[in-house]
Amino acid sequence: SQTIHQWPATLVQPVGSPLSLECTVEGTSNPNLYWYRQAAGRGLQLLFYSVGIGQISSEVPQNLSASRPQDRQFILSSKKLLLSDSGFYLCAWLDRHSYNEQFFGPGTRLTVL
Amino acid sequence: GEDVEQSLFLSVREGDSSVINCTYTDSSSTYLYWYKQEPGAGLQLLTYIFSNMDMKQDQRLTVLLNKKDKHLSLRIADTQTGDSAIYFCAESIDGGSQGNLIFGKGTKLSVKP
Repeated sequence: SQTIHQWPATLVQPVGSPLSLECTVEGTSNPNLYWYRQAAGRGLQLLFYSVGIGQISSEVPQNLSASRPQDRQFILSSKKLLLSDSGFYLCAWLDRHSYNEQFFGPGTRLTVL
Repeated sequence: GEDVEQSLFLSVREGDSSVINCTYTDSSSTYLYWYKQEPGAGLQLLTYIFSNMDMKQDQRLTVLLNKKDKHLSLRIADTQTGDSAIYFCAESIDGGSQGNLIFGKGTKLSVKP
């Protein structure tokens, strides 16, 4: 069966510090991968998606970047965090063999102080 | 651009029915989804409906789709305290070709005993 992991679960970082969040998927190959941010009152915002290794599409201009160094690894990064980067970050993968269901990881709660 | 709208809050008594409404804009949406998010967790797919269907029933859940009005609803019969969560409506975009979804801001359902 497929599983998706995210770490860390929670993170508190000072403004201006770098960021690296990791997402890995098990039990599937060549999945579409997604990074979302959930901020209070703003719902779920798609940040990046990837259809394959090294292929990243950005949905909104921002202070963050994403990379996919391996088929089942998706990384969200920042060189210098802003206060507005605080939120709940969710990674998801897409099951194309089903009805395009996206499966979500447990999320990372990021607080920038 | 594509947009999904839903009310932010709903409060019901245990045993009553809950109805969560959603409107969407992309007429080419292939699938429409309802996801559930429990506190501090990722999203889980509750149910989905294919765009050529009007209704789908799955145990206590009933999904109604009005394609003409681009209106989707989720009815939960005999609502229980364990149903308290945030419910997200989502539509597939680009005809579902990339699997990308647009989510609403979520409706927080509170169930009072």
